[in-house]
Amino acid sequence: DTAVSQTPKYLVTQMGNDKSIKCEQNLGHDTMYWYKQDSKKFLKIMFSYNNKELIINETVPNRFSPKSPDKAHLNLHINSLELGDSAVYFCASSPGESYNEQFFGPGTRLTVL
Amino acid sequence: AQKITQTQPGMFVQEKEAVTLDCTYDTSDPSYGLFWYKQPSSGEMIFLIYQGSYDQQNATEGRYSLNFQKARKSANLVISASQLGDSAMYFCAMREGYGQNFVFGPGTRLSVLP
Repeated sequence: DTAVSQTPKYLVTQMGNDKSIKCEQNLGHDTMYWYKQDSKKFLKIMFSYNNKELIINETVPNRFSPKSPDKAHLNLHINSLELGDSAVYFCASSPGESYNEQFFGPGTRLTVL
Repeated sequence: AQKITQTQPGMFVQEKEAVTLDCTYDTSDPSYGLFWYKQPSSGEMIFLIYQGSYDQQNATEGRYSLNFQKARKSANLVISASQLGDSAMYFCAMREGYGQNFVFGPGTRLSVLP
């Protein structure tokens, strides 16, 4: 029944490791997003995919690589994790039409030690 | 330049009173959408209300209403009859034209006092 799901919910890892966060939506939406929310609660878009194609790629380190195997999934892979990557990562989706809100996943809290 | 400004980092309101959370935006696109989201301490992002740039009337959803003043580029959220469960971070966001890029403001932390 979940609209947008993310796994894992919590991720604790050492600096230098590589990790992935998975996102799935069952809403039939065309567009999916990754956001990073820092410790001050500021939400910043990282990537957006529309029908499996990258349409927004904000200035993020190239250690972050999104992968969209199909319209319902958008995964985020992070190489060589750094302390500054610690944040909450939100996946979201929208129908892709104008003026529709985004539906957010529950978030993944990443802690890099 | 900041596209979404929320000038109140924190607000307090007494239970059962109304509160207004400010949001101003900046865009040159005549078509845009404005959104408010709530983020309680549990962390999830909850959509509250939407206003389109061409909408003639202010949006309302239950106890939430959006005071849309287009000429002033403001889209303030009004919560009537505040409840303790309204304590949360509130984010104003904008979507310009037909793009898929949402821009969020820095948020306002609302605390409802018993």
